Amino acid sequence: GDSVTQMEGPVTLSEEAFLTINCTYTATGYPSLFWYVQYPGEGLQLLLKATKADDKGSNKGFEATYRKETTSFHLEKGSVQVSDSAVYFCALSDHRNKAAGNKLTFGGGTRVLVKP
Amino acid sequence: NAGVTQTPKFQVLKTGQSMTLQCAQDMNHEYMSWYRQDPGMGLRLIHYSVGAGITDQGEVPNGYNVSRSTTEDFPLRLLSAAPSQTSVYFCASSYGGWGATQYFGPGTRLLVL
Repeated sequence: GDSVTQMEGPVTLSEEAFLTINCTYTATGYPSLFWYVQYPGEGLQLLLKATKADDKGSNKGFEATYRKETTSFHLEKGSVQVSDSAVYFCALSDHRNKAAGNKLTFGGGTRVLVKP
Repeated sequence: NAGVTQTPKFQVLKTGQSMTLQCAQDMNHEYMSWYRQDPGMGLRLIHYSVGAGITDQGEVPNGYNVSRSTTEDFPLRLLSAAPSQTSVYFCASSYGGWGATQYFGPGTRLLVL
């Protein structure tokens, strides 16, 4: 079945440091890929997504590129802020059928702590 | 728009008790789902619905029941609570297209003693 693997945290950084969170996946066909973020005490919200190979998703200074050849979707940000402290989830949905296209398979989450 | 709302925010149950977690959305989304979040395991799909009157099982459906009588509401029922169901529960909705963005509620934290 489908699966998502992402680096375990916590990741602790200083403000303005470069952030990378690795994410790799296993799926049938070519899934859509997502990064969701969960701020303390809140639900998840979409950070960015890519729906086909070589697409780059970007939002709030974060970027991730859909790499079919390496089955990866690594998240990067060039200069983090304290407000980026959160848990980040990589996820996929496959395209076998319409229902599957809305079911998310999540990685375990990576907690990021940015210190001033 | 309130988006996706969930009640209660926090609940304590004793083993064997039953309860219903409420979820509602005001975006006229076709697709709704329930996930549970456990430490280190990400979120796992419990049940989902592709429209009113249509539900199906996800990855971890045992011990849970759902129904979808309206587009707006998608309650999750715990029939006989067990300590293994201690978790944070999230409801989500989307318009139902390929690669659609899921909108999540704020979550319900459940403790089963």
